[in-house]
Amino acid sequence: AQTVTQSQPEMSVQEAETVTLSCTYDTSESDYYLFWYKQPPSRQMILVIRQEAYKQQNATENRFSVNFQKAAKSFSLKISDSQLGDAAMYFCAYKRAQGAQKLVFGQGTRLTINP
Amino acid sequence: ETGVTQSPTHLIKTRGQQVTLRCSSQSGHNTVSWYQQALGQGPQFIFQYYREEENGRGNFPPRFSGLQFPNYSSELNVNALELDDSALYLCASSRASGRAVETQYFGPGTRLLVL
Repeated sequence: AQTVTQSQPEMSVQEAETVTLSCTYDTSESDYYLFWYKQPPSRQMILVIRQEAYKQQNATENRFSVNFQKAAKSFSLKISDSQLGDAAMYFCAYKRAQGAQKLVFGQGTRLTINP
Repeated sequence: ETGVTQSPTHLIKTRGQQVTLRCSSQSGHNTVSWYQQALGQGPQFIFQYYREEENGRGNFPPRFSGLQFPNYSSELNVNALELDDSALYLCASSRASGRAVETQYFGPGTRLLVL
């Protein structure tokens, strides 16, 4: 079974600084997809960024980028120029490319932005 | 484009009762997935519906059941409620199209409290 591990329960960063959230996963599959979702206090899970395992290039969405290391099964999220609105729970998630399309989530990292 | 909606937003039930949660998928989406998120945890996959049929199920007992309707909206039914069923229930919709990765978009969730 696939598992996703986020080893940092909490992180904090100064506004305008850069922070990196860690995620590792375990799978025997070679084709899969990885996601970072953000869940603010409003509870709604919002997609931040996604990465296809077959792509070597790291995904980037504005201030958000990932460092995808397939051999190490690592998928970290870097947030540049942190803003107060970035404060939230961040979840790393895994999905197989074939078969059941369920998302497997990590335990989450609570990110605090200090003004 | 209408996003994923869920009703009700909050619900209080007593042990042994039954509950029905509802989800309207995003326009153009044909697949609905349900997740349970206990406090302080990552979401856990309950099941997924595609074209009105169950398309994968997580490790949840049969008292968790669901439906998908021709308009792709969905219901989650939980019978014989237990205290541990208290959680945030998230619905996510996506569009299945061959092998294409279809990102899941989440609704705001229903907070269920079982007393």
